[in-house]
Amino acid sequence: AQKITQTQPGMFVQEKEAVTLDCTYDTSDPSYGLFWYKQPSSGEMIFLIYQGSYDQQNATEGRYSLNFQKARKSANLVISASQLGDSAMYFCAMRETSGTYKYIFGTGTRLKVLA
Amino acid sequence: GAVVSQHPSWVICKSGTSVKIECRSLDFQATTMFWYRQFPKQSLMLMATSNEGSKATYEQGVEKDKFLINHASLTLSTLTVTSAHPEDSSFYICSAGTGSQPQHFGDGTRLSIL
Repeated sequence: AQKITQTQPGMFVQEKEAVTLDCTYDTSDPSYGLFWYKQPSSGEMIFLIYQGSYDQQNATEGRYSLNFQKARKSANLVISASQLGDSAMYFCAMRETSGTYKYIFGTGTRLKVLA
Repeated sequence: GAVVSQHPSWVICKSGTSVKIECRSLDFQATTMFWYRQFPKQSLMLMATSNEGSKATYEQGVEKDKFLINHASLTLSTLTVTSAHPEDSSFYICSAGTGSQPQHFGDGTRLSIL
C-alpha cells in the first residue's frame, strides 16, 4: 500500500533563512507523482511543486525546490529565503499515476517563520 | 492557472438539516473531482472520488447514504451531507484536475452543525 510520512509536526525558521521539510514515501508502483501543498490558516490548499518519479532533475519553482532522492524514497521540500508569509501548514502528497489519480497526503508540517 | 470554486465558504445549520456544497472547475473540464474532509490540525482525508456521469467511488468507512455526491457535468460536483449532526461538523474541501496535471483545490467549506 502507498504511504506518505512527514515526521516533523512543527518547524521554526528565522526569516530569510532556508528550511527543509521532510517527506518520505512508500510505494511499489514504478510510476508516481509527488506534490507539496501549502495550507495557510484560511484553509485553502496552494499547489507548490511537483516531482515525477521518472524526472531526472529535482523540481524547482521560485524559492521552492524538491530534493528528490529516489533510492531513499524521500521528497523533501526546501524553502529558501523564508518569508513571514511562508508560515503555514505544508503537506506532502503522492498520487497514483493510473486509474483515478487520487492523492494520499502526509500528516503535515506546521512551519512558523520568525521575524 | 486553473481555478476551482467551492461554495459556500461556511455554513451553520441545525441538526437534521441537509447541506449541499458545490465544487466548480471554472476554466477547465474535470472528469474527476475529489472530496476531502479535514479535522482541526489533521491531514486531509479522502472521502470519495466523483466521476462525471457515473457513481462516485467512496473510500472505506465513508457512508454513501450520508454523503451524497453528484457529478452531473464536467464542471460541477456536489456533496450533500444528509441529515447532518454535530459530528459531521468539519472542513470539507474539493479538488479537480485533468489527467496527470496537479490537482487544484477549492477554498473549502467550514460546516458547523448545532
